[in-house]
Amino acid sequence: QKEVEQNSGPLSVPEGAIASLNCTYSDRGSQSFFWYRQYSGKSPELIMSIYSNGDKEDGRFTAQLNKASQYVSLLIRDSQPSDSATYLCAVNGKSFNKFYFGSGTKLNVKP
Amino acid sequence: SAVISQKPSRDICQRGTSLTIQCQVDSQVTMMFWYRQQPGQSLTLIATANQGSEATYESGFVIDKFPISRPNLTFSTLTVSNMSPEDSSIYLCSVEWTSGSSYNEQFFGPGTRLTVL
Repeated sequence: QKEVEQNSGPLSVPEGAIASLNCTYSDRGSQSFFWYRQYSGKSPELIMSIYSNGDKEDGRFTAQLNKASQYVSLLIRDSQPSDSATYLCAVNGKSFNKFYFGSGTKLNVKP
Repeated sequence: SAVISQKPSRDICQRGTSLTIQCQVDSQVTMMFWYRQQPGQSLTLIATANQGSEATYESGFVIDKFPISRPNLTFSTLTVSNMSPEDSSIYLCSVEWTSGSSYNEQFFGPGTRLTVL
């Protein structure tokens, strides 16, 4: 079982729609959770961090965490073509300073 | 967050040669990491580099192939030794940064795109 699981996609949404990206993790002791955006040919860019159950909003992005279900999600409202990228979920596991990355979900936002 | 630079940004090398990749950070950081990302794949951690101690390698990666230096709190190098075409990949350094929430976050450098012929 992988530490962090994501659907590889591609996930296609029309411009202006809500994109929903999901991630599950196996280490129940994990404490911090991250979403990275990676454009083709570029390095990952941290866009959201979440540490407690519930929702965290930042502009058009909302991260949701449910530790009981070991589930993290990222909602992108009013999706734009510029949001087209691969989104990586990362979890800081029980092992000190050990980050686990999912394989990423490719998002395509169609004009 | 820290500003991270890497050199070179890309290189094309002949098999059997070695390449050293440099990672420079604009602030002092304790933890630095080296990752590999092959085309269309996710990130694979090669090793963790702490200043003043030997690097800790992940399963499948060995010091003879990927020697790492960490001479101070703002700089690290990764050498890819005796290269083969299978080493063609993007190599990324990252640093750990304590956020305002007192949790650790990781930030990535721009990466080095390596092609081995």
